[in-house]
Amino acid sequence: AQSVTQPDIHITVSEGASLELRCNYSYGATPYLFWYVQSPGQGLQLLLKYFSGDTLVQGIKGFEAEFKRSQSSFNLRKPSVHWSDAAEYFCAVAPTGFQKLVFGTGTRLLVSP
Amino acid sequence: DAGVIQSPRHEVTEMGQEVTLRCKPISGHDYLFWYRQTMMRGLELLIYFNNNVPIDDSGMPEDRFSAKMPNASFSTLKIQPSEPRDSAVYFCASSRGEMNTEAFFGQGTRLTVV
Repeated sequence: AQSVTQPDIHITVSEGASLELRCNYSYGATPYLFWYVQSPGQGLQLLLKYFSGDTLVQGIKGFEAEFKRSQSSFNLRKPSVHWSDAAEYFCAVAPTGFQKLVFGTGTRLLVSP
Repeated sequence: DAGVIQSPRHEVTEMGQEVTLRCKPISGHDYLFWYRQTMMRGLELLIYFNNNVPIDDSGMPEDRFSAKMPNASFSTLKIQPSEPRDSAVYFCASSRGEMNTEAFFGQGTRLTVV
């Protein structure tokens, strides 16, 4: 079965510093990969997705993610974090051709002044 | 489009009562998903529909849970009888038929069973 691991439960980053959130997946083939963000009391919003092609994917709000097949990873990055980026971030995987998303446990990002 | 609309936003009920959560997907979307979010288990897919037909309900925890989609613009998730361990945030999401396009989430219903 597919699974997603987000090893960091909490991360604190200073405003203006760079950010990297880790995501590893377990699946026999290359799945479709997603990053979602959830602000307090809100639903999930898609930041970016990877289906195929260029392994560096650009998303909204200045986020990017890099797919590394050899490491089964899809880490999320942002060069300079803003206080408004404080939220919970979820990595998700879907087997090719299916709509069913499997989510990681999430990483809560705190931004310090 | 107003996005995926869920109601109510908050629900507090007593153990043993029936609870019905409602969802209106985005017009034109033919996939609808129900997720549950808890601290212990994170985000879990409960059930999803395609063209109003349930495709996979393997995530439904037990027979107390049921979901219906009588038409393309409305779905319900019902819990009868409710138990305190059902307390969670329930999300509805919808997407179009193309493979793995973006799923749009509603703001969720926070259910508290006391």
